[in-house]
Amino acid sequence: QQQVKQSPQSLIVQKGGISIINCAYENTAFDYFPWYQQFPGKGPALLIAIRPDVSEKKEGRFTISFNKSAKQFSLHIMDSQPGDSATYFCAANQAGTALIFGKGTTLSVSS
Amino acid sequence: GAVVSQHPSWVICKSGTSVKIECRSLDFQATTMFWYRQFPKQSLMLMATSNEGSKATYEQGVEKDKFLINHASLTLSTLTVTSAHPEDSSFYICSARGGKDHGYTFGSGTRLTVV
Repeated sequence: QQQVKQSPQSLIVQKGGISIINCAYENTAFDYFPWYQQFPGKGPALLIAIRPDVSEKKEGRFTISFNKSAKQFSLHIMDSQPGDSATYFCAANQAGTALIFGKGTTLSVSS
Repeated sequence: GAVVSQHPSWVICKSGTSVKIECRSLDFQATTMFWYRQFPKQSLMLMATSNEGSKATYEQGVEKDKFLINHASLTLSTLTVTSAHPEDSSFYICSARGGKDHGYTFGSGTRLTVV
């Protein structure tokens, strides 16, 4: 049973455009929702994270939107740049437990 | 910020031998460490969770006798792949939880190739 479903699997965006990646979760006990960026051959790096007491969090060009009733959250990358080309993973967990990852989205930003 | 050092970054070993991967939290004490496995173009799959001084908890389907995890201190966890086979070839990533915000920090990963 996949606890965190991520879409799309791949995404191509033009430079300067908005990249949007969506995730849905099933476990209502989850209380931490991070997004990670991973480059080939490297470990994942935390981009931004949100907790269910807020509906949106913005850090620079990255924004998480969170919909608790729908059990969905999304990552928006504004003004996408070629350097943003990477694989993005959403994740979720309940306090203290291991992060459960979505299947990932490969983002390509064309210049 | 919190830093996790993972070594080696890559290793090639012969089938039947054992390989040890180290994961160290450099500037914080890790109350819990996690080991993940990632196949090419796939997601991170949790293998086991370890707490300092206690036995690791393995996920269903992960052979605990094959993937030995030791968490002897609050800053070091090791994963030993015993009697490695080509199908064990993968990218292994550790994660440590701790620091002032109890966040999750990942190591840079270890590419294991068994020939």
